[in-house]
Amino acid sequence: DGGITQSPKYLFRKEGQNVTLSCEQNLNHDAMYWYRQDPGQGLRLIYYSQIVNDFQKGDIAEGYSVSREKKESFPLTVTSAQKNPTAFYLCASSATGGRVPYNEQFFGPGTRLTVL
Amino acid sequence: AQTVTQSQPEMSVQEAETVTLSCTYDTSESDYYLFWYKQPPSRQMILVIRQEAYKQQNATENRFSVNFQKAAKSFSLKISDSQLGDAAMYFCAYRSGRDDKIIFGKGTRLHILP
Repeated sequence: DGGITQSPKYLFRKEGQNVTLSCEQNLNHDAMYWYRQDPGQGLRLIYYSQIVNDFQKGDIAEGYSVSREKKESFPLTVTSAQKNPTAFYLCASSATGGRVPYNEQFFGPGTRLTVL
Repeated sequence: AQTVTQSQPEMSVQEAETVTLSCTYDTSESDYYLFWYKQPPSRQMILVIRQEAYKQQNATENRFSVNFQKAAKSFSLKISDSQLGDAAMYFCAYRSGRDDKIIFGKGTRLHILP
């Protein structure tokens, strides 16, 4: 089955520690995205990548970092510089370019991060 | 910058009835795509329906249909014969034809009353 996996589903960390959230896709999508979801805020874009070894900041990139060494993987690191890291994090992927006109995003199941 | 507005934070509908969720967007572009996503209690985001701006015909997927008013920049979602499984947060979303980023509204929580 093609899809997007995120692990773990729940993650607890102590304040001041960096933590890395995993995101893997086997949909052969070029683009991948990380979103943060807070109550009443909808989805806010943290980082996105349209091709391997390249990524761009989204609307709320401060305190986060990413890498894109493989097409299938787009891990997100929540650093100690992120002031309020407790949230639900969603990873998504999509095709790019005009061959697939809609290029809708497909989502993973999410990771709930709680910083104690 | 493009924006997506969902003016109804919460709505309720009786089972088997019809409900319409509102969405407006702001853009100066002519080439774009619109989506409705559903997020049930499991929090898995599921694409419900999509519409291309160039297509005048409203998209339909089984019990879900949209009313796309391009001039008014409105993209409402109609759910017919509401079922208990339709209870979820619904997000309206916009994608420019120039890039792959999607802009989401803040969502409407839909309750289905048995």
